[in-house]
Amino acid sequence: QKEVEQNSGPLSVPEGAIASLNCTYSDRGSQSFFWYRQYSGKSPELIMSIYSNGDKEDGRFTAQLNKASQYVSLLIRDSQPSDSATYLCAVKSGGDDMRFGAGTRLTVKP
Amino acid sequence: GAGVSQSPRYKVAKRGQDVALRCDPISGHVSLFWYQQALGQGPEFLTYFQNEAQLDKSGLPSDRFFAERPEGSVSTLKIQRTQQEDSAVYLCASSLSRDLREQYFGPGTRLTVT
Repeated sequence: QKEVEQNSGPLSVPEGAIASLNCTYSDRGSQSFFWYRQYSGKSPELIMSIYSNGDKEDGRFTAQLNKASQYVSLLIRDSQPSDSATYLCAVKSGGDDMRFGAGTRLTVKP
Repeated sequence: GAGVSQSPRYKVAKRGQDVALRCDPISGHVSLFWYQQALGQGPEFLTYFQNEAQLDKSGLPSDRFFAERPEGSVSTLKIQRTQQEDSAVYLCASSLSRDLREQYFGPGTRLTVT
């Protein structure tokens, strides 16, 4: 079992819809959770961080964390074609390293 | 302000050659990370520096990989006797705080070993 699991997709949603991206992790001691967006051929860009259970909203993005279920998700409201990218879930436990999932490829169709 | 920069952006090496990849972190960022990203995969942790100290090198895949950050700013990742399986994008990231929260990535160096 990989430490951070994501559905590789591709996930396709129409413009204006809600895109829901999911991530599960194996280390119960994980403390910090991040979502990165990576356009093709570019480096990852941090879009959300979440550290405690519940929801955290930032503009069209909402991150949700459930530590009991070892689950973190990202919702993108009013999806735009420019949101088409690979979304990487990253998890940090007590150590120095950050563990990334393989990413979910999202396509928003006009 | 300036972000993380990396050079070269692209490197083609013949198998067996040594390569050196450079990372300039965001000014004032204490923590620096190196990752290896294969096509279609997420970044894989290689090593971590806090200032000039290399605190974790558990992700380096072999003793052919070596990283340094002698003055606590610029870092170099060196790969000796490159092999085809070393072909990947090498990403550098930096973080302001010691508690290693948000990391900011550079553009990466795409290494191709022929």
